[in-house]
Amino acid sequence: DAGVIQSPRHEVTEMGQEVTLRCKPISGHNSLFWYRQTMMRGLELLIYFNNNVPIDDSGMPEDRFSAKMPNASFSTLKIQPSEPRDSAVYFCASSLQGSFTGELFFGEGSRLTVL
Amino acid sequence: EDKVVQSPLSLVVHEGDTVTLNCSYEVTNFRSLLWYKQEKKAPTFLFMLTSSGIEKKSGRLSSILDKKELFSILNITATQTGDSAIYLCASTSGTYKYIFGTGTRLKVLA
Repeated sequence: DAGVIQSPRHEVTEMGQEVTLRCKPISGHNSLFWYRQTMMRGLELLIYFNNNVPIDDSGMPEDRFSAKMPNASFSTLKIQPSEPRDSAVYFCASSLQGSFTGELFFGEGSRLTVL
Repeated sequence: EDKVVQSPLSLVVHEGDTVTLNCSYEVTNFRSLLWYKQEKKAPTFLFMLTSSGIEKKSGRLSSILDKKELFSILNITATQTGDSAIYLCASTSGTYKYIFGTGTRLKVLA
């Protein structure tokens, strides 16, 4: 079975450029989460969706960050304009809300470096 | 604000030692607590706990939850170098929001 698929795996860009990260959740999962991981702050929840609807975006750092989930099989996280402090690993994760195990499944992450 | 705090932040032990990792939480409408292991890439699932006092075990790893005192521990016995990783604790709320702690970085020396 395919897991959560993220792209790109690595992105190096210059300050001011637009960055778009993509995620395909596990088929049938109804919740999708975007996390950012840094050494200093660990795994921070940016936003999560339930049935394609954003439920909580309180973790989105500022207006430069936006996320969409146009359908159950695709989500994007966009940073415009990017800044060096946005450098981090961005994880997408999905789960089946109400499932017995409650497990959250992670993608392999997108490592972003902003120069 | 929902919060998960892990301790210690980092730990260095020798092979064969036993380690205990701690996780405390303050979450509105607590639903479950999960432990993950992260090596080089994505976190991988270890345990989910929902009931107090019931130990979950998998090989040398075990975990228990105390809902009265709002904490969980993860024990690893007879540690091996392959146990070196970041161990993450997460709590879920009634809205199925997963909040993670900053993790405990464990290094096991041969």
